[in-house]
Amino acid sequence: GAVVSQHPSWVICKSGTSVKIECRSLDFQATTMFWYRQFPKQSLMLMATSNEGSKATYEQGVEKDKFLINHASLTLSTLTVTSAHPEDSSFYICSAREGEKMSTEAFFGQGTRLTVV
Amino acid sequence: DAKTTQPPSMDCAEGRAANLPCNHSTISGNEYVYWYRQIHSQGPQYIIHGLKNNETNEMASLIITEDRKSSTLILPHATLRDTAVYYCIVRVVGSNYKLTFGKGTLLTVNP
Repeated sequence: GAVVSQHPSWVICKSGTSVKIECRSLDFQATTMFWYRQFPKQSLMLMATSNEGSKATYEQGVEKDKFLINHASLTLSTLTVTSAHPEDSSFYICSAREGEKMSTEAFFGQGTRLTVV
Repeated sequence: DAKTTQPPSMDCAEGRAANLPCNHSTISGNEYVYWYRQIHSQGPQYIIHGLKNNETNEMASLIITEDRKSSTLILPHATLRDTAVYYCIVRVVGSNYKLTFGKGTLLTVNP
C-alpha cells in the first residue's frame, strides 16, 4: 500500500510554544489529507480535512486559529499547534487519499505523540 | 454515514481464526464497509473493504451478509502481532472520505 510519513514521531514542548507536525505522502499524490487527534484510551477524532491549495475544513469544536493546517502541495500537509497547552497533549495522526478515486482506502501516518509540559 | 456496533473486546488463541463481527443495520445502498486496525501507539492500518460481495486479500476476508446489515472480518490464522483495536466503518461513496471511527474491538491474541 501507499506510504504516509509523519514527522516528528514524538515531540515534547513547553507550554505556550508552537509545534509543527508534517505529513507526507511518499509515493502518491494526496489531493485530500485528514488530521485526527486521539486521547489515551479513546478513538480517533477527526479534526479537519484539507484539500491541496484550499483552506482546511474544520470539524465542529476544533479551533482553526489554534490548529493551523497548510496543504500547499500534493505530497505535504502540516499541522501547527499554536500556543500549546498541556491539554493539547495527544496523539496526532494524519491520513491521505490518492486522487479522486471514490472507493480507495485512506492511508495513515504513524502518528505524532505531542506532550506539552 | 451509518453507525456501526462492535463488541468492545475479544480474545483469540494464536493460530486460530479470529472472527470479528460488526453490525451496521442502517447501512444504505451506496455505503462501503471498511475495516482498519490500530496497533498500540501506531496509526491505523487499512485491512479490507467491500460493498456487497465477500472480499479476500492477503490480510483477511470480509464476509457481508446478503441484507448488508452486518459483516464479519476474518483473520484466518491469528498471530500475536494481530493484537490491535479493529474498527469497522461504513462510508458513503462520493463523500470526501471522512472516516468516522467508533470505539472498535480490542482483539487480544493469546499464546
